[in-house]
Amino acid sequence: EVQLVQSGAEVKKPGESLKISCKGSGYNFTSYWIGWVRQMPGKGLEWMGIIHPADSDTKKSPSFQGQVTFSVDKSISTAYLQWSSLRASDTAMYYCARLAQRYYYMDVWGKGTTVTVSS
Amino acid sequence: EIVLTQSPDFQSVTPKEKVTITCRASQSIGSSLHWYQQKPDQSPKLLIKYASQSFSGVPSRFIGSGSGTDFTLTINSLEPEDAATYYCHQSSSLPYTFGQGTKLEIK
Repeated sequence: EVQLVQSGAEVKKPGESLKISCKGSGYNFTSYWIGWVRQMPGKGLEWMGIIHPADSDTKKSPSFQGQVTFSVDKSISTAYLQWSSLRASDTAMYYCARLAQRYYYMDVWGKGTTVTVSS
Repeated sequence: EIVLTQSPDFQSVTPKEKVTITCRASQSIGSSLHWYQQKPDQSPKLLIKYASQSFSGVPSRFIGSGSGTDFTLTINSLEPEDAATYYCHQSSSLPYTFGQGTKLEIK
């Protein structure tokens, strides 16, 4: 079964750093882009960007440039989303998803990681 | 950046009704338009890929159409379990983007 398993909920303080994970299984992890999507409380989906596990090529939405870092560890089929200094406005659900090889729709989604940033 | 505008934002419908949700792109995106369903407290699920191709396992009552800038998701004979928010998504041009969502309430 193809699946993406995301790390558990996080509660952090403003200014702290954070790295959440997304582990792929059931398919060749290095053959598909992984995307990240933000959903702020009560709001819609926002496309953050994508990373290719084979070479870590990254494409980000301008809204997230300089705000977050994408990375991968091919050896354990895991993608990461990282913040160096969290803000309250980073409070959201973060989903990872696999992009199909043609047309780049998101065909497999993780269950999401809730990030709460509060003093 | 390509902006996707969905209408309506919200619709209250009765079971067995036919529902139409539209998604308009700010510039032509060919057929690189996809539809997702998100139920409360769940992750989104792919319904329709490439404007009109049903994704595996999706009930046949979900139908996508359109190309260029205007797209439609039609749900024939609505079921109670179709209560959800529906999003369109374009993968024609980076950065890829989502529509703002259409929330369907079942009366």
